[in-house]
Amino acid sequence: DIQMTQSPSSLSASVGDRVIITCQASEDLSDNLNWYQQKPGKAPELLIYDASSLKTGVPSRFSGSGAGTNFTFSISSLQPDDIAIYYCQHYGTFGGGTKVEIK
Amino acid sequence: EVQLVESGGGLIQRGGSLRLSCAASGLTISRNFMTWVRQSPGKGLEWVSVIFSDSSIYYADSVKGRFTVSRDTSKNILYLQVNSLRAEDTAVYYCARWSGAAIFDFWGQGTLVTVSP
Repeated sequence: DIQMTQSPSSLSASVGDRVIITCQASEDLSDNLNWYQQKPGKAPELLIYDASSLKTGVPSRFSGSGAGTNFTFSISSLQPDDIAIYYCQHYGTFGGGTKVEIK
Repeated sequence: EVQLVESGGGLIQRGGSLRLSCAASGLTISRNFMTWVRQSPGKGLEWVSVIFSDSSIYYADSVKGRFTVSRDTSKNILYLQVNSLRAEDTAVYYCARWSGAAIFDFWGQGTLVTVSP
């Protein structure tokens, strides 16, 4: 089974900071890696698909990169509305999640 | 606009059964791949099952033999029959559309299943 190691598990940053989350896979995923945002009490929402494609309507401060086994998700300028847990996902496997908080 | 609405959750005793529903609008479930994902309280996301447009179905090992996915194409509703429930099945169950390479692009709001010991 593929293992997805997401880090950090939590982070605290100031409004306007750049935030970076990584997801490392135990085997080559090509570019089949997606990123989701889950706000408290809500369903997850797709932000990035195929490693780097931004879903229509998602703010451009969100971005993704990587291929193979190493992937990165970034928020270029953290906003208060970005408080959430972020998950990477490949087929039936999700990363453990990263809780993003405002410092 | 795609909308997925789950229902059918509730409090159920260990060993019991429930049928969860996912009513779809804005998409035809028989022409799409549809998936179930669950989330135990305070925990991460766990993939449960997928039904493809050709009716092939796959399950996570943790639910294989206990959960069954089906669909009513006339009503455009996806179902998840959950049997032999265990405490560890307590979770919010989400349905979602599976696009392309397992891109879950539309999600319902979820329905909570609580299994009492």
